[in-house]
Amino acid sequence: AQSVAQPEDQVNVAEGNPLTVKCTYSVSGNPYLFWYVQYPNRGLQFLLKYITGDNLVKGSYGFEAEFNKSQTSFHLKKPSALVSDSALYFCAVRDWGGKLIFGQGTELSVKP
Amino acid sequence: DTAVSQTPKYLVTQMGNDKSIKCEQNLGHDTMYWYKQDSKKFLKIMFSYNNKELIINETVPNRFSPKSPDKAHLNLHINSLELGDSAVYFCASSQDRRSYEQYFGPGTRLTVT
Repeated sequence: AQSVAQPEDQVNVAEGNPLTVKCTYSVSGNPYLFWYVQYPNRGLQFLLKYITGDNLVKGSYGFEAEFNKSQTSFHLKKPSALVSDSALYFCAVRDWGGKLIFGQGTELSVKP
Repeated sequence: DTAVSQTPKYLVTQMGNDKSIKCEQNLGHDTMYWYKQDSKKFLKIMFSYNNKELIINETVPNRFSPKSPDKAHLNLHINSLELGDSAVYFCASSQDRRSYEQYFGPGTRLTVT
C-alpha cells in the first residue's frame, strides 16, 4: 500500500533561516508526490508536485522539494523562511486509483 | 469568486440528528472529493465523484451518503450523527480523475454534542 510519513510533528525556524520539512514515502512503482499547505482555518493549498523528471521541483511561494529515490524521501525546503510561512504542511502520495494519501502533517512555526 | 465553496462553515448539532454539507465548484472540473480531517489534523479521503459517478468509496459508515446532482456540486448527508463524526470536512475538486492537483474548499467544522 502507498503511504507517506512525516517524522516531525513540529518544526521551528527563525525568520531568514533555511527550512526543511521532511517526508518519506513507501510506494510500489513510481511515486507521484505532493506538498500541500494549510493555513489556520483554511483549506489546503497545492504547493508543488513530483511526477517525473528533475529531482528538484520548484513550487509556489519560493518552496522547493527534492525527490530522492534511494532514500525514498521528498523533503520540502525553502532557503529563507518568512513568518507568513507558519502553517501546517502535508506531504501526500497519489495511488493508482487517484486517491491522495496524506502524511500526518508537520506544523511549521517561523519566529521573527 | 471562490473556486470551491462549502456551506455551512460551522455546524453544531446534537447526536442522532441528520445534517447535510454542500459543496460547489465553479472551476468546470469533472472530479470532486470529500475528505475528513480529525482532531489530530489527520486527513483522509472519504468519497470521490467523477461526472456525477461515484469512483472512490472508502471504508466509511453508511450513515454518510454523498450525492452529486451535477458535476459542479457534491453534497454530503450524514444520518444519525455520532460524537466521533466531529471533524472538519473538506470538499475538493480536480480537472478530471487523472489530474494531479486538487483544489480544496475552506472546510466545514462539524461539532456533534
